[in-house]
Amino acid sequence: AQKITQTQPGMFVQEKEAVTLDCTYDTSDPSYGLFWYKQPSSGEMIFLIYQGSYDQQNATEGRYSLNFQKARKSANLVISASQLGDSAMYFCAMRELPGNTPLVFGKGTRLSVIA
Amino acid sequence: GAGVSQSPSNKVTEKGKDVELRCDPISGHTALYWYRQSLGQGLEFLIYFQGNSAPDKSGLPSDRFSAERTGGSVSTLTIQRTQQEDSAVYLCASSLVWGATEAFFGQGTRLTVV
Repeated sequence: AQKITQTQPGMFVQEKEAVTLDCTYDTSDPSYGLFWYKQPSSGEMIFLIYQGSYDQQNATEGRYSLNFQKARKSANLVISASQLGDSAMYFCAMRELPGNTPLVFGKGTRLSVIA
Repeated sequence: GAGVSQSPSNKVTEKGKDVELRCDPISGHTALYWYRQSLGQGLEFLIYFQGNSAPDKSGLPSDRFSAERTGGSVSTLTIQRTQQEDSAVYLCASSLVWGATEAFFGQGTRLTVV
């Protein structure tokens, strides 16, 4: 069975600094995808970044990058140059591929950006 | 619209009543998911539809919960004899199945059982 663990219930970061949100996962399937979502106080789930288990390079999307360490089964999200608008809940998720399974989510990390 | 649409956005119901929550997925998306998010918690998987296959109901918390998807599009989540612990935000998402694509979420239905 798949499992996602996010060990940081809350994180604080100074504006303009970088922050790393931890995510470890467990699966016996060799083919899977890892996702990060942002949930602001308004409640919508916003897709941020994706990493495939066979991707050779770490995924990047603007200020977001995913530090993928396959042997350690970790998929940490790095946000560079934090902005006040980054304050939100962040969820790590995974699904086995080719995709006929539901996304499994971690419990989330609440990020607060301080001016 | 282009996104996942859920209705109602808010629902207050009395304990013991039945409620129906609706989800309109993105056109062409064959996978549809229901999740529940209790206050300050993560997303709890409830049920998953993929095309015409039998749904994965492994996340439904009790037999008071059921869901159907008509014509491979609109889905309805029904909660019978609601209890106060059913109070949560119910999120629907849809995605293309094949390939590594993300799930797109609706705005959710906030259910309050009083």
